[in-house]
Amino acid sequence: AQSVSQHNHHVILSEAASLELGCNYSYGGTVNLFWYVQYPGQHLQLLLKYFSGDPLVKGIKGFEAEFIKSKFSFNLRKPSVQWSDTAEYFCAVNARGSSASKIIFGSGTRLSIRP
Amino acid sequence: DTAVSQTPKYLVTQMGNDKSIKCEQNLGHDTMYWYKQDSKKFLKIMFSYNNKELIINETVPNRFSPKSPDKAHLNLHINSLELGDSAVYFCASSQEGGHEQYFGPGTRLTVT
Repeated sequence: AQSVSQHNHHVILSEAASLELGCNYSYGGTVNLFWYVQYPGQHLQLLLKYFSGDPLVKGIKGFEAEFIKSKFSFNLRKPSVQWSDTAEYFCAVNARGSSASKIIFGSGTRLSIRP
Repeated sequence: DTAVSQTPKYLVTQMGNDKSIKCEQNLGHDTMYWYKQDSKKFLKIMFSYNNKELIINETVPNRFSPKSPDKAHLNLHINSLELGDSAVYFCASSQEGGHEQYFGPGTRLTVT
């Protein structure tokens, strides 16, 4: 069965620091990969996605993620964070071709930015 | 224009009551979902419908019953509410299974 691991539960950074949030998945086949963001009190919004092609994916608000197939990873990065990036970040995976296609979400990483 | 809408936004009720949450999407998507997000922000899928047909039914108590009158609507009815049902419930939709999902604003259910 597919699963998603986000090892960082809570990350605290100062403004302008660089960010990398880890995401690993377990599934041997082809996958679709996603990062979602949930700002305080709001619903989940898509940050970026990877289906195929260039493994370095650029999303909204300066975020990017790199798919490394050999490591089963899809880490999220941002070179310089802002206070407004304070939110919960969810990595998600879909196993392509599965009979009941669903997206599995990681447990989330809370990002707190000190102004 | 609201893409995925849910009503109500807040729901406070007593144990043992029956309640419903409604969800509507105007994106023309074929697939809709219900998720439960607990106090630790863990997001767990409950149900998924594709063109009014149930395709995913996770391990959810049968007190929870989804209903999809048409592909733009997916409602969630909960019988005999329990304290442990307190959570935020999110509806979502996607073009088809496995594609990016668009989430509603959530319904915060509090059972007292």
